[in-house]
Amino acid sequence: DTGVSQDPRHKITKRGQNVTFRCDPISEHNRLYWYRQTLGQGPEFLTYFQNEAQLEKSRLLSDRFSAERPKGSFSTLEIQRTEQGDSAMYLCASSLFRANYGYTFGSGTRLTVV
Amino acid sequence: GENVEQHPSTLSVQEGDSAVIKCTYSDSASNYFPWYKQELGKGPQLIIDIRSNVGEKKDQRIAVTLNKTAKHFSLHITETQPEDSAVYFCAAGVRNAGGTSYGKLTFGQGTILTVHP
Repeated sequence: DTGVSQDPRHKITKRGQNVTFRCDPISEHNRLYWYRQTLGQGPEFLTYFQNEAQLEKSRLLSDRFSAERPKGSFSTLEIQRTEQGDSAMYLCASSLFRANYGYTFGSGTRLTVV
Repeated sequence: GENVEQHPSTLSVQEGDSAVIKCTYSDSASNYFPWYKQELGKGPQLIIDIRSNVGEKKDQRIAVTLNKTAKHFSLHITETQPEDSAVYFCAAGVRNAGGTSYGKLTFGQGTILTVHP
């Protein structure tokens, strides 16, 4: 078990381009969460899945953002028509139903929109 | 929705001293309060958590206290070491009645802890 894996670690993109990030949770973790963290702030909730079902979405997740977890394993987060304000660290976390501990976070994908 | 306030934003201590970080929350429905440590270039790492049916929890040099009436909780680190230097975040969320699953967390703004040798 190598923990929560996120790819890529860094992404630089031009304004207006689309980007996609991938998260591989700890195997058998059925809940998967996406958070966004800007410099000097705590993580902000974006969305989470239980298996393949998206259970909750934040108002932060505008129409340009979409997240999927098609087979209940890995997840992707896509941002369309990126804006400079999208520059942030995108964190993925997972947790196991019935476990007596909380989330495990990945190391994040740092997005820079130029 | 939930709002979590964290203080102080920076904390500087000498090695061996204690460090205390305090958080308040607004939503009385919150029943799960984890603390995370984040080092440069890494994701947050869970260091301790407390549920609302417990007033205090301790794990070696780290302890957390919760006052549900006042809606505040605190992290206490004793005998600090230079490797404790990091950003610490408190969070509040809901753990379901059966204790089997976790929803979203609302995080505080973070405390930069520096432990001087």
